[in-house]
Amino acid sequence: DTAVSQTPKYLVTQMGNDKSIKCEQNLGHDTMYWYKQDSKKFLKIMFSYNNKELIINETVPNRFSPKSPDKAHLNLHINSLELGDSAVYFCASSQDWGAGELFFGEGSRLTVL
Amino acid sequence: GEDVEQSLFLSVREGDSSVINCTYTDSSSTYLYWYKQEPGAGLQLLTYIFSNMDMKQDQRLTVLLNKKDKHLSLRIADTQTGDSAIYFCAENKGQGNLIFGKGTKLSVKP
Repeated sequence: DTAVSQTPKYLVTQMGNDKSIKCEQNLGHDTMYWYKQDSKKFLKIMFSYNNKELIINETVPNRFSPKSPDKAHLNLHINSLELGDSAVYFCASSQDWGAGELFFGEGSRLTVL
Repeated sequence: GEDVEQSLFLSVREGDSSVINCTYTDSSSTYLYWYKQEPGAGLQLLTYIFSNMDMKQDQRLTVLLNKKDKHLSLRIADTQTGDSAIYFCAENKGQGNLIFGKGTKLSVKP
């Protein structure tokens, strides 16, 4: 049983399109995150949600909108995709919002052409 | 500095010890972490250290913390080819906001 699963694993799309990445965790954790890893492997937090409420919203363009229908799911919707959005997006979860032990999904590689 | 700093590459021979260094930014960080990322996978927590500790040992892993210099290191004893991965140090800024270094790619040669 995969603890943190995200789909799709690979996504290739054209500039200007809208796409979504889904994430689910079956660990019973309260907090979920989206991280972006660029081509140089630099990893930066985008959002975190605790019990469906937004806790962290780093400087991310408005084109990125997270949605948490329940505490086990955190989806990421991206509007009007740009070349610079190409990256690997990682979903993660932790037991609560103060915890530093994050459980990561396998990543979703987004390529914008 | 503003960033968590790590050297980008380290190459060792199988059986040697590896030492990966990190400089973090916030002396008030309570916990510091080492994560491992294998190719094509997400990050996995390897170990962590509480800020009031100088050293933590966990099997082949030894973490050393120098709070005065804000320096963290990870030593892997008897490095194996399976240890080849990218290693990230991270500090906890609170509310689960982990600030990661850029990662050190460890290559282990047979």
